[in-house]
Amino acid sequence: GAVVSQHPSWVICKSGTSVKIECRSLDFQATTMFWYRQFPKQSLMLMATSNEGSKATYEQGVEKDKFLINHASLTLSTLTVTSAHPEDSSFYICSASPRVSLEKLFFGSGTQLSVL
Amino acid sequence: AQKVTQAQTEISVVEKEDVTLDCVYETRDTTYYLFWYKQPPSGELVFLIRRNSFDEQNEISGRYSWNFQKSTSSFNFTITASQVVDSAVYFCALSIWDGAGNNRKLIWGLGTSLAVNP
Repeated sequence: GAVVSQHPSWVICKSGTSVKIECRSLDFQATTMFWYRQFPKQSLMLMATSNEGSKATYEQGVEKDKFLINHASLTLSTLTVTSAHPEDSSFYICSASPRVSLEKLFFGSGTQLSVL
Repeated sequence: AQKVTQAQTEISVVEKEDVTLDCVYETRDTTYYLFWYKQPPSGELVFLIRRNSFDEQNEISGRYSWNFQKSTSSFNFTITASQVVDSAVYFCALSIWDGAGNNRKLIWGLGTSLAVNP
């Protein structure tokens, strides 16, 4: 079946540094990719939707300059948490779909970010 | 409003019991998809089912079954003869069009944490 690879699985960084998380669709072209954030024992919160070659659409309340999303190709999207602070510590999950209709939707395994 | 409600925050059962996880949704879209995902402690989301709004047939997959009732906007999930390995958080989700109508996105319920005890 289709696979979405997300790296790294976990990362620990110092406050003030930037962290990049990659999301790759391994055997399909991802028309649309999504980035979610999940706090412990809570639901997934959509941060942004990205389409290849165009700017990401951010959800209300998500800082565009803080969470930079790049969807440079049909198989790769990256989320960069800039100048990370402890409150950015969270579980980040990407998902990808070959179709806008989301008839098929695949998830990465998630990235646990801990900012010290 | 467009939302997904999973009223049961936590459920605890004893192994071999049947358990039903409720999901009620609201949407103004006429065409939509409903999903169930399982999230074990590892965190990785496991796809369980996708249901098109035009397909109201109930579905059974092994010990899992789903009851889609469009009239009551519900998409409930039943695990028969539960096992310890079923312990996880289960999310119900609804795909809708975004405000601009350009992309679909998922609206997630808050999840139901299921504990199956031996």
